[in-house]
Amino acid sequence: QKEVEQNSGPLSVPEGAIASLNCTYSDRGSQSFFWYRQYSGKSPELIMFIYSNGDKEDGRFTAQLNKASQYVSLLIRDSQPSDSATYLCAASRSNSGYSTLTFGKGTMLLVSP
Amino acid sequence: DAGVIQSPRHEVTEMGQEVTLRCKPISGHDYLFWYRQTMMRGLELLIYFNNNVPIDDSGMPEDRFSAKMPNASFSTLKIQPSEPRDSAVYFCASSRGGVKFFGPGTRLTVL
Repeated sequence: QKEVEQNSGPLSVPEGAIASLNCTYSDRGSQSFFWYRQYSGKSPELIMFIYSNGDKEDGRFTAQLNKASQYVSLLIRDSQPSDSATYLCAASRSNSGYSTLTFGKGTMLLVSP
Repeated sequence: DAGVIQSPRHEVTEMGQEVTLRCKPISGHDYLFWYRQTMMRGLELLIYFNNNVPIDDSGMPEDRFSAKMPNASFSTLKIQPSEPRDSAVYFCASSRGGVKFFGPGTRLTVL
């Protein structure tokens, strides 16, 4: 059974700090990984995705992938109260184009002013 | 583009009633997905379509659930009869390629 595991949190960080969100996956066939942000009562919105081992940076966000360890992380630099949300990690068997996503249950992040 | 559109946004119904959820995907997207989200189980894929054809409905929990996509701009998810355990937020998402865009969801409460 394909599983994506996340700590439910909440992860509490002060404003301006680095928030580190982690995710592990069980399906070694997973090729691409997605981070979605979901505010309370809203729909998930894509933050970024990563296909290759290593780091991928986009503004204040950095995704890290280690396929050997089956581990994905999302770093948020200079955290802001507006970053407070649930972050969903998802895995896909496709390296490009289409495939279904398996979602984790999400980690709640709380950024205090 | 208006994004993925879902209706209704909220639905409260009594056990045993039929419920129909509606979705309009983003124009030009060739994949459409129905997800259900609960606190206990997170986001679960129920069914997805490619070019209006159902590809995988293995996530549909029971025969009480059915989904259709009569054309590229409309899909429905029907629950008949509904049960209290069906209470959840139902999301429709569409994609062209790997990135999926979610609609605002329908919050279903079955009493």
